[in-house]
This record gives sequence, C-alpha cells and structure tokens, in this order.
Amino acid sequence: DSGVTQTPKHLITATGQRVTLRCSPRSGDLSVYWYQQSLDQGLQFLIQYYNGEERAKGNILERFSAQQFPDLHSELNLSSLELGDSALYFCASSVGQGNGYTFGSGTRLTVV
Amino acid sequence: GQQVMQIPQYQHVQEGEDFTTYCNSSTTLSNIQWYKQRPGGHPVFLIQLVKSGEVKKQKRLTFQFGEAKKNSSLHITATQTTDVGTYFCAANTGGFKTIFGAGTRLFVKA
Repeated sequence: DSGVTQTPKHLITATGQRVTLRCSPRSGDLSVYWYQQSLDQGLQFLIQYYNGEERAKGNILERFSAQQFPDLHSELNLSSLELGDSALYFCASSVGQGNGYTFGSGTRLTVV
Repeated sequence: GQQVMQIPQYQHVQEGEDFTTYCNSSTTLSNIQWYKQRPGGHPVFLIQLVKSGEVKKQKRLTFQFGEAKKNSSLHITATQTTDVGTYFCAANTGGFKTIFGAGTRLFVKA
C-alpha cells in the first residue's frame, strides 16, 4: 500500500457518460497530480493541485475537470466520455514541489 | 515547450546482461527523477538527482545526472527477471510541472 488511495479501481461506462475518480493523497502530502496512461503508453500529465489550488495544467481536455478539497482529497471529473478516453488514470501525491511522487494503484476506465 | 526524450523504447536482454536507459531534455533541468512500473502496476519512485554530474547507486542500479543537467541515465548491472518493467524518467525545470519520458520497457529472458 503506497498510502495514496484511488477509487474505484475499475470503471466501465458508456460513451457520453460522466464519471468521477477519487484520490486521497498520502498523509502529509499537499500536492496532488493526475496522470493518464493509455495502453502501454507513457504518463500524460493532466493537472496538479497544491493545498487546494490549481498549480499546473497539462494536456487536459476541456471535458475533464478536477478539484482538490479542503481535506486534500481530489476528484477528477470526466464528461461526455469517448472510446479514446479508455485508459488508466493515476493520482500521485508529494510533500511539495520537486519531491518524488507516490502513485496510487490507478483507476482503469473502460468506455464502451 | 519542454520535451523529454527517453531511449530506447524497448530493450530485450538475457538475464545477467547489463541494461541502460537514457533521458534527454531540451532544457536545463532542476532535477530528474526515475520511476519503475512493473507490468500491471503503478509507477514507483526510485530516486531523485539534483546536482550536476551526480551519480547515485542503489544495489545494481546506477543513476547519473549529466554535467549540463540536460540528460540522465539509469544503468542496471547483471539484470534479473525481477528487473522487468518500464523505467520512466521525470524531468522538472523548477516549475510546477514534471514531465515524464515515454519510458523504456525492459524485458529479461531467463
């Protein structure tokens, strides 16, 4: 157990639907990052939050949004889902900027 | 924008052979991190390099940061089947964004 908790582990949904992925960072970590990993591909940075504030944005689609709550957990919302959104979505956390990341086990999203 | 190139994309080795993956950045880096992702698993942090020319060792793994802080390498001596997985470098230029390389997938044949 890495200390970063992601739920659900698996999600199967239909095109056009909306889903929410949840992440609880490791205790004491203020930064939360979201990454997308398509089958056998690299890690695409989506977005970062630090202590509730958005700090950096990557290649995140407009259909996707995220937030970090006062208790530091984060949610990634994916809407108007397309087949191409099927991927592993990882959440990671760190104490601050420039430190190693601790990744959660990921949520495997399948859009059918 | 910042780009991180990682080579090779794949590497097949016989158990006992050495393995090296390289990471190159188009810009000077503040630090570089290395991660390992086992098949079906999540990335696990291995190490962070910060200083120019830094060399760090973890058992059979040797990590180097280039003098110009634009490149890095991970070398595994005498690979074992437990080394199988994808190795990612992750580069930071001092801002809030850390860019991951595409990864090198290592296959080890017993």
